[in-house]
Amino acid sequence: DAMVIQNPRYQVTQFGKPVTLSCSQTLNHNVMYWYQQKSSQAPKLLFHYYDKDFNNEADTPDNFQSRRPNTSFCFLDIRSPGLGDAAMYLCATSREDRGYEQYFGPGTRLTVT
Amino acid sequence: EDQVTQSPEALRLQEGESSSLNCSYTVSGLRGLFWYRQDPGKGPEFLFTLYSAGEEKEKERLKATLTKKESFLHITAPKPEDSATYLCAVQAPRDMRFGAGTRLTVKP
Repeated sequence: DAMVIQNPRYQVTQFGKPVTLSCSQTLNHNVMYWYQQKSSQAPKLLFHYYDKDFNNEADTPDNFQSRRPNTSFCFLDIRSPGLGDAAMYLCATSREDRGYEQYFGPGTRLTVT
Repeated sequence: EDQVTQSPEALRLQEGESSSLNCSYTVSGLRGLFWYRQDPGKGPEFLFTLYSAGEEKEKERLKATLTKKESFLHITAPKPEDSATYLCAVQAPRDMRFGAGTRLTVKP
């Protein structure tokens, strides 16, 4: 089955210790997204890639970076995690950039100690 | 600024008790309105896309409708397995914005 895969499902890191979350997709979609979701809140878009074009949301902290080495993979790097970065991180894909539904992975639950 | 507001925040129903969830939005140039279901600890699961006022979509016990200012997700004769958080999202020309969701609990 075509799907969106996120690894790891659970990640524990120390305050200030860099961490990388990964996402892969077998849907062959052009667009990949990273969202941050805190408990009982709406998913918040951090950035997205349309093919290789990177689009950063205006209020995404500089502490968050992303890489998309090829169509199938996308990474989220948190350079110096703070306690406020503890959240569920969701990766999603869609066929095109506007007006198309997004398909989500299962998420990575990040804990910062 | 584009906004999406969902109500109620939480809804408890008895099995078989039909109801509706609301998603109100203010956005310039709607490109699409999406409904998702999210189970605890999981990613959202796509349900419906609506593009224009008057459009309706159905899937099993769920029916989504759209006007120029809001969308409704109608749940007919719900079952306990329909318990989840239902998220609404709006695609505008410049961004994609989610509502905070309605947490639905269906008691047997």
